[in-house]
Amino acid sequence: DSGVTQTPKHLITATGQRVTLRCSPRSGDLSVYWYQQSLDQGLQFLIQYYNGEERAKGNILERFSAQQFPDLHSELNLSSLELGDSALYFCASSATAGQGTQYFGPGTRLLVL
Amino acid sequence: AQSVTQLGSHVSVSEGALVLLRCNYSSSVPPYLFWYVQYPNQGLQLLLKYTSAATLVKGINGFEAEFKKSETSFHLTKPSAHMSDAAEYFCAVTSFGNEKLTFGTGTRLTIIP
Repeated sequence: DSGVTQTPKHLITATGQRVTLRCSPRSGDLSVYWYQQSLDQGLQFLIQYYNGEERAKGNILERFSAQQFPDLHSELNLSSLELGDSALYFCASSATAGQGTQYFGPGTRLLVL
Repeated sequence: AQSVTQLGSHVSVSEGALVLLRCNYSSSVPPYLFWYVQYPNQGLQLLLKYTSAATLVKGINGFEAEFKKSETSFHLTKPSAHMSDAAEYFCAVTSFGNEKLTFGTGTRLTIIP
């Protein structure tokens, strides 16, 4: 158990809908990262927050957004969902803002029908 | 830009045999390198990491990896495979001040009884 929690574990929704994925980092960690894992793209970095501020952006679509709250939990919002958004979404946390070891949560499996 | 190449998307070894999973990296700055393992329907678990200290790094579950700058490699080994080692293994690279992990495409390890 990494100490990173993600909810929900599974999510099934329809195209065009909007969903919110939630992540709670390990106690004391200030950085939260979001990754997408799909069969065709592999593991891709989406976005990072550090202590409430956006720190780095990767291959995140404009339909996706995220935020980190004062209690340091983070939410990833996915809107106007398409079939291709079906994937595993991982959250990771680290103590520092850069190059710190990242600890991954169990992931949220999203299926868009 | 940083990248990781994992040679062999599937590797099969007999129980008790040597495990060797290959990882080559590309980085214009000194890299930090990681191996993660993903068991079916689970998140990524950190096996070991190299962050510019000793070049031979020991991790959990009997795994180790050696950083070879001249070969830009960070191969993962285990002297004797166990059935419980069957999983997918990911090599990842980052660097000081870099916010994201760049992952390889993964190697699925199968253990033959």
